[in-house]
Amino acid sequence: GAVVSQHPSWVICKSGTSVKIECRSLDFQATTMFWYRQFPKQSLMLMATSNEGSKATYEQGVEKDKFLINHASLTLSTLTVTSAHPEDSSFYICSARVGLADTQYFGPGTRLTVL
Amino acid sequence: DAKTTQPPSMDCAEGRAANLPCNHSTISGNEYVYWYRQIHSQGPQYIIHGLKNNETNEMASLIITEDRKSSTLILPHATLRDTAVYYCIVRVAKEGNTPLVFGKGTRLSVIA
Repeated sequence: GAVVSQHPSWVICKSGTSVKIECRSLDFQATTMFWYRQFPKQSLMLMATSNEGSKATYEQGVEKDKFLINHASLTLSTLTVTSAHPEDSSFYICSARVGLADTQYFGPGTRLTVL
Repeated sequence: DAKTTQPPSMDCAEGRAANLPCNHSTISGNEYVYWYRQIHSQGPQYIIHGLKNNETNEMASLIITEDRKSSTLILPHATLRDTAVYYCIVRVAKEGNTPLVFGKGTRLSVIA
């Protein structure tokens, strides 16, 4: 299957700082990527849909000015958590689809801890 | 609005077949059934998907009832490494901008 990577795998930051998470499709081009977050003992919650070269579409309740998404190339999408607070601590996971294929491939996730 | 219903947890003895059920009674004719699993602290892993025919790959088999209102994922010889949360998801295929929506899944514990 296709490979999706994320960087970093974990990050600890102070409250008020910004954190950037990268999501890369390693062996395919991804026109669409999705960002999810997962709190402990809960399921994955979709945050936004990222389309290459256009603005991301955010799910209801997700602040677009706080979670900045950039999908500038067909192999890279970034999620920046701005002015992070402890309640933003979570497991962030990206996913990508391959062209017109019907399977989504997921990255390994990034664990964010805000102190 | 949950499209699928799965038992919250199941146990399976190592080496035995694990049969994970999923109800999707409101599935539409153009919706596929997808199965993913998530091992602790990892991203979800694709397992298998199908429309109406039974499917098999190197990981598992998917049995879909004739009326398509339910399905069963079968891991033929479960190992300890199969301990994970298994998600059954229905979605229209070939609509790549439609993301997968995860329910609560089934936590499978494989016991030695």
